[in-house]
Amino acid sequence: GENVEQHPSTLSVQEGDSAVIKCTYSDSASNYFPWYKQELGKGPQLIIDIRSNVGEKKDQRIAVTLNKTAKHFSLHITETQPEDSAVYFCAASETYNNDMRFGAGTRLTVKP
Amino acid sequence: EAQVTQNPRYLITVTGKKLTVTCSQNMNHEYMSWYRQDPGLGLRQIYYSMNVEVTDKGDVPEGYKVSRKEKRNFPLILESPSPNQTSLYFCASSWTAGMNTEAFFGQGTRLTVV
Repeated sequence: GENVEQHPSTLSVQEGDSAVIKCTYSDSASNYFPWYKQELGKGPQLIIDIRSNVGEKKDQRIAVTLNKTAKHFSLHITETQPEDSAVYFCAASETYNNDMRFGAGTRLTVKP
Repeated sequence: EAQVTQNPRYLITVTGKKLTVTCSQNMNHEYMSWYRQDPGLGLRQIYYSMNVEVTDKGDVPEGYKVSRKEKRNFPLILESPSPNQTSLYFCASSWTAGMNTEAFFGQGTRLTVV
C-alpha cells in the first residue's frame, strides 16, 4: 500500500519568510495529492491539492509542486504570517482506491 | 452551513465501558470515514463507508465498529475501550467513493480511556 513520509516534523520561520514542507510517496499509481491545514482545536481543512497531470499549482501565497518521477511533492508558503501557524498534513491517494494516506504532519510556527 | 458534526468533543471513560461517538454530515456525501490522530503518526484510517450499508476496514480497525444505516450518519462504536484507544478522533466525508476529492473533517473528539 501507499506510504507517505513528511518532513520536517516541526518548522519555525520568521514572519515574512518562506516555508517549505516536503512529502514523498511510494505508490506510483497515486494521482491525487492534497494538503490540509489543522488549526488548534479544529479538524484538518483542505488548502490546496494537485493532480498528477499537473506539475505546479498556485493559490495566492500557497503553491504545491509535484515531481512524479521522483515521487515527491512540496508545499510552499511565501510571505508567511502568524495565522499560517498550524499543523500541515500532506496526503496521497489513487482514483479507484479508498485509501488516502496521510503524512505524519508538520507543525509550522511563524514568529512575529 | 455545510459541515461535519461530531459529538462529544471531549470524553473521558473507563476501560471496558461501551461508548459511541456520533458523526453527521449535511452535504449529502456518499463517502464517510473515521481517523485517529496520534503524535508522530498523522491520521490513520479506522473504517470507511462508500455508501449506506457499505462499510470496510481501514488501517487500524481493531477494537472499533461502525454502522451506516443512513447517508448522513456514521457512528463510531467502541464496544470495550482500552487505554491504547486514547486518541483524537476525526470523522470525514467527501462526495465520491474514494477520497479523491476534498474531504471535510469534523472538529474532532478527544477520547481518554483510563
